[in-house]
Amino acid sequence: DQQVKQNSPSLSVQEGRISILNCDYTNSMFDYFLWYKKYPAEGPTFLISISSIKDKNEDGRFTVFLNKSAKHLSLHIVPSQPGDSAVYFCAANLNAGGTSYGKLTFGQGTILTVHP
Amino acid sequence: DAGVIQSPRHEVTEMGQEVTLRCKPISGHDYLFWYRQTMMRGLELLIYFNNNVPIDDSGMPEDRFSAKMPNASFSTLKIQPSEPRDSAVYFCASRFRQNQETQYFGPGTRLLVL
Repeated sequence: DQQVKQNSPSLSVQEGRISILNCDYTNSMFDYFLWYKKYPAEGPTFLISISSIKDKNEDGRFTVFLNKSAKHLSLHIVPSQPGDSAVYFCAANLNAGGTSYGKLTFGQGTILTVHP
Repeated sequence: DAGVIQSPRHEVTEMGQEVTLRCKPISGHDYLFWYRQTMMRGLELLIYFNNNVPIDDSGMPEDRFSAKMPNASFSTLKIQPSEPRDSAVYFCASRFRQNQETQYFGPGTRLLVL
């Protein structure tokens, strides 16, 4: 049962344009969401996060939006740069009864390619 | 800080052989996680430790998989016997309890079982 889903395996964008990566989740007990970025032959690195009490978090060119009613989050990259080409994973933290389980559930990843 | 260290970076073995993957977490981190990455399922959590104690091993696929953390600076993931479907990239990650969500990943071990 895939509780965190990234339905687009890949996305191709022109340099300077906006990249929008999407993520859906099924468990309403997730209380914190993160995006990780992964280059080939490297481990994922943390990019940006958002608490479930917020609907938007911005960090430079990166903005994450959370729609709790739709159980959907998205990552916007504006403007996109060739160096942003990587695999992007969304992840969710489970909190049940006020206790964080301390583990993340990841989606399958979306390969972003930004063309010069 | 050197970050999370994993070894070997690449492993090629034959079906039936024992495989041992190693991880050194970031010093001071008290949580350690083992993940497996495949194209079909993305990043799957296999097991995680808190203060060297296994907390949740529900993601370990079969009894052929085992993990240990004998001390705060070392963990192993063992597959015995290995099978071709175990071929994947295995990541180790660690985090500090005060930073409850962000995990720091190692570079991964790419395993190929022939």
